Amino acid sequence: QKEVEQNSGPLSVPEGAIASLNCTYSDRGSQSFFWYRQYSGKSPELIMSIYSNGDKEDGRFTAQLNKASQYVSLLIRDSQPSDSATYLCAVWNNAGNMLTFGGGTRLMVKP
Amino acid sequence: NAGVTQTPKFRILKIGQSMTLQCAQDMNHNYMYWYRQDPGMGLKLIYYSVGAGITDKGEVPNGYNVSRSTTEDFPLRLELAAPSQTSVYFCASTLGGSEQFFGPGTRLTVL
Repeated sequence: QKEVEQNSGPLSVPEGAIASLNCTYSDRGSQSFFWYRQYSGKSPELIMSIYSNGDKEDGRFTAQLNKASQYVSLLIRDSQPSDSATYLCAVWNNAGNMLTFGGGTRLMVKP
Repeated sequence: NAGVTQTPKFRILKIGQSMTLQCAQDMNHNYMYWYRQDPGMGLKLIYYSVGAGITDKGEVPNGYNVSRSTTEDFPLRLELAAPSQTSVYFCASTLGGSEQFFGPGTRLTVL
């Protein structure tokens, strides 16, 4: 069974700090990796995608992928209270034609 | 583009009633998905479709049915509603292997 694991949290960081969210996956055939943000009562919103090993930066967000270790992470620099949400890691495998989601990590940024 | 749209936004059903949740996308995506999300929990895949006329079961298909007669529409049918089907339902679409976009969700209560 293909699995995506995340620490459920909550992860609490002070405003202005770096928030580090981690995700591991079990299927070595996975090819595409995504981070979604979900505010309470809202639908998931895509914030980052990464397809190859290394880092990918977009504004305050950096996604990191290590396929050898089957590990993907999301760093949020200069965290803001508006970043408080649940962050979902998702992994795509072509053989399955679907995304497998982790359970999500709840992030709380305290002013 | 409207993206992924879902109707209705909210619905209350009595036990044993039936209903159809509507989902449409205008991005010409061939892959479409139905998820449910119970309070404080992750996303569970109900059914998915890789193209018109093709559907397949996900993790939790019991009590639901789908059809895909066009690329744009992917309705989810609930037959004989049960309290266990109280949840938030999300529809999503993707070109495949790329970013998956979610609709705003339908909040369903079965009493």
